[in-house]
Amino acid sequence: DQQVKQNSPSLSVQEGRISILNCDYTNSMFDYFLWYKKYPAEGPTFLISISSIKDKNEDGRFTVFLNKSAKHLSLHIVPSQPGDSAVYFCAAEAPPGNTPLVFGKGTRLSVIA
Amino acid sequence: NAGVTQTPKFRILKIGQSMTLQCTQDMNHNYMYWYRQDPGMGLKLIYYSVGAGITDKGEVPNGYNVSRSTTEDFPLRLELAAPSQTSVYFCASSPPGLIYEQYFGPGTRLTVT
Repeated sequence: DQQVKQNSPSLSVQEGRISILNCDYTNSMFDYFLWYKKYPAEGPTFLISISSIKDKNEDGRFTVFLNKSAKHLSLHIVPSQPGDSAVYFCAAEAPPGNTPLVFGKGTRLSVIA
Repeated sequence: NAGVTQTPKFRILKIGQSMTLQCTQDMNHNYMYWYRQDPGMGLKLIYYSVGAGITDKGEVPNGYNVSRSTTEDFPLRLELAAPSQTSVYFCASSPPGLIYEQYFGPGTRLTVT
């Protein structure tokens, strides 16, 4: 049973526009969420995170929104740049704090110049 | 700072062969992890370690073994390789206090034929 779901395998966006990547989860015990970015032939790199006590976290062009009642989070990239083209993984963690992360399947973002 | 390094980058194994995937980190991180990523899928945790001498199973441990004799090294052993173990393997590490912000190696692409 997938606890973290990224239902869109791929997304194409024009350069300069907003990219919105979505993630749903089923485990209400998850209390920390992260986004990782992965380029081909490289390992994932940490991008941004959000605690369940917040509903928004912003870092430059990247903003993550959390809607706990809907068990949904989203990553917004504004403005999108060609270098943002990558696979984005959503991940979640449940307490007590040393349990492993659960990853979604990823969404491949293509930013078209 | 090399970060997390993995060797080899690529390997082809015959069914029934064994091999060890090497992982080393130079960031003095306590936590280390092994993941596998199958095509179109997310990262699945194989084993993890919270410190030297301590290891624990993840979601998909069958067919693998690990050891953690030092803080820096976390090798993954495949015994009796099977085609189902064809995958890309990622090693990761994280510091205490930021265990969710994992640093990944570049991966090892393994094919079992």
